[in-house]
Amino acid sequence: GAVVSQHPSWVICKSGTSVKIECRSLDFQATTMFWYRQFPKQSLMLMATSNEGSKATYEQGVEKDKFLINHASLTLSTLTVTSAHPEDSSFYICSAREGGVLMNTEAFFGQGTRLTVV
Amino acid sequence: AQSVTQLDSQVPVFEEAPVELRCNYSSSVSVYLFWYVQYPNQGLQLLLKYLSGSTLVKGINGFEAEFNKSQTSFHLRKPSVHISDTAEYFCAVTPWGASGGSYIPTFGRGTSLIVHP
Repeated sequence: GAVVSQHPSWVICKSGTSVKIECRSLDFQATTMFWYRQFPKQSLMLMATSNEGSKATYEQGVEKDKFLINHASLTLSTLTVTSAHPEDSSFYICSAREGGVLMNTEAFFGQGTRLTVV
Repeated sequence: AQSVTQLDSQVPVFEEAPVELRCNYSSSVSVYLFWYVQYPNQGLQLLLKYLSGSTLVKGINGFEAEFNKSQTSFHLRKPSVHISDTAEYFCAVTPWGASGGSYIPTFGRGTSLIVHP
C-alpha cells in the first residue's frame, strides 16, 4: 500500500515554544490530508481536513490559530502547534488520500508523533 | 452522518484462543468499512477492508471480518491469537462516493485486545 511518512516520531519541547510536524505522502499525490489527535486509551479525534492549495477546515472546538495547518503541495502537509502548553501533549496522527471522488477510498496513516510539552 | 460503535473497550483472551471484536455502525448512506490495528506509540495499520463483493473479507495477520448489512455489523475475528496481537483495534467507516473530493473516516472508540500467555 501507499506510504505516509510522519516526522518527527516524538518531540519534547518547552512550554511556549512552537513545534512543527510534517506529513509526507511518499508514492502518491495526497489531495486530502487529515490531522488527528489521540488521547491515551481513546479514539482518534479529527482536528482538521486540508485540501492541497486551500485553507484547512477545522473541526469545532479546534483552535485554528493554535494548530496551524499548511498543505502547500500534493505530498506535504504540516501541523504547527504554536505556543505549546502541557495540555497540548498528545499523540498526533496524519492521514492522506489520493484525489478523485471515486478513485481511492482508503486513507493511509502516518506513524504518529508523540508530543510532550514540559 | 455515520457512527461506529465498538461495544467492548477491552477484550482479554488467552494465547491460541479464538477472538471476535465487535463493530456496529449506522449510516444514512452506503459505506465502506475498515479495521485498523495500532501498536503502542505507532500509527494505524490497515488490517482489512470491505468495499464490495464477498461479505467475508480476509486481511493480514490471519484476521478476517464479515460484513452483515442487515445487522449493520462488521465483526473482526481470528481463530487463534498470538501474544503479538496485543494492540488497539479500531473499526472505521467512510461514506461511499463522498462528494467534494474528500471524505472523513469515522472511527469507533477502539478495542484493546490483550492476549495472555
